[in-house]
Parts: sequence; structure tokens; C-alpha cells
Amino acid sequence: DARVTQTPRHKVTEMGQEVTMRCQPILGHNTVFWYRQTMMQGLELLAYFRNRAPLDDSGMPKDRFSAEMPDATLATLKIQPSEPRDSAVYFCASGPALNYGYTFGSGTRLTVV
Amino acid sequence: GQQLNQSPQSMFIQEGEDVSMNCTSSSIFNTWLWYKQDPGEGPVLLIALYKAGELTSNGRLTAQFGITRKDSFLNISASIPSDVGIYFCAGRTSGTYKYIFGTGTRLKVLA
Repeated sequence: DARVTQTPRHKVTEMGQEVTMRCQPILGHNTVFWYRQTMMQGLELLAYFRNRAPLDDSGMPKDRFSAEMPDATLATLKIQPSEPRDSAVYFCASGPALNYGYTFGSGTRLTVV
Repeated sequence: GQQLNQSPQSMFIQEGEDVSMNCTSSSIFNTWLWYKQDPGEGPVLLIALYKAGELTSNGRLTAQFGITRKDSFLNISASIPSDVGIYFCAGRTSGTYKYIFGTGTRLKVLA
């Protein structure tokens, strides 16, 4: 089965450190999304890309978060500097087109202490 | 902003019973998606709906795109223990690629 691969699965870091999460979308999928999931806020859309170009990153705190797609096989989400309130599960998802449902990865569980 | 109200928030049911849950929106949607999430995993797409009134099945699951285009329903027939999990609806309005997710329905099945 084709799958979205996220690394690392778990990350514990100290406040102020840089965190990089990586995502390998399904081959051929040209739409990539980053979501954050917390108990309080549920699933929040942070950013999404089409054909590697960012379409919307209005859901991200601009001062500390950045999302990029260096190539079609890699999407990254960086937090610098990290804060305890960033603790959450971060999901990447990819899809073949904007109107279709998309496939989620297993997530990166981030804990900032 | 757009809101998706999903109900019920949680439910306990007996194995073999049918389950119904729904999602309502303050906006008109062009697409509805239903996902299931197991602990420690990402949501898995169950059903996608693209037209008002559309009724689509996936095994024991059936979902409908409400005719008002502001709601959607998911039914699970003859529930089994592996149906346990959190079910999310997600919707998209025209002119955007963003899907808004509901708050989820936590399903627990009593054997």
C-alpha cells in the first residue's frame, strides 16, 4: 500500500531548540498538507502545497514556523524556537488532486519541555 | 469563521448495534470527507462525497451528503469491536482547497 511517511515518529526537545519534521508524500501526489492535532483544538490546518508551491500558510505562527517542499518527495515543517505550547501531534497528508480526499501519515508526536 | 459541529461527541454502543453520527456546517460545502482515527495513528479516509444528496457505502459504512449541502451523515451497521475509534468529518467550500475538520465522534463498542 502507498503511504505517507513521516519522521521522526516521536520528538522530545527543550524549549528554544529547533525542530524539523519531515514528510515523504505518496509518489505522484501533488498536494501536501500539514495539520496539527491537540486535545483542545482538534485538527488544525497549518499549511498546504500544490506542485511544491505554498498555497496557504495562514494557519501557522509566522514568527516561528516555516514549511517548505525542497522537492516533490520531501516536505518539511520547522519550528524555531520551539515552545511548550507547540507540543502536539503533527500530521502530513497528501492527495492526488485538490478535490479528492487525502492520505495522512502516522504523525510526529512533539513534546517541548 | 467556518465551524463544523459534529455530534455526538462520544457514544457507547453494544456490539451489533447500528451507529449514526452527523456533521453540520455554517457554510455550504462542495465536498464532505469522513475519516477514522485509531490511537497513535493518522486519520484514515473512509468515504468521500462530492454531490448534494449523494449516498455512498464502504462495507458496513454509509455516508450521505445532505441536500442542504450544510450537513453530512455517517452510519455504521452491525458494529464490531474494531469500529472503536474517533470519527471525523471534514468539509470544503468552493473556491478553496482547505478542508475544515469536525471535532470528532469517539465511538466505543461494548462486546
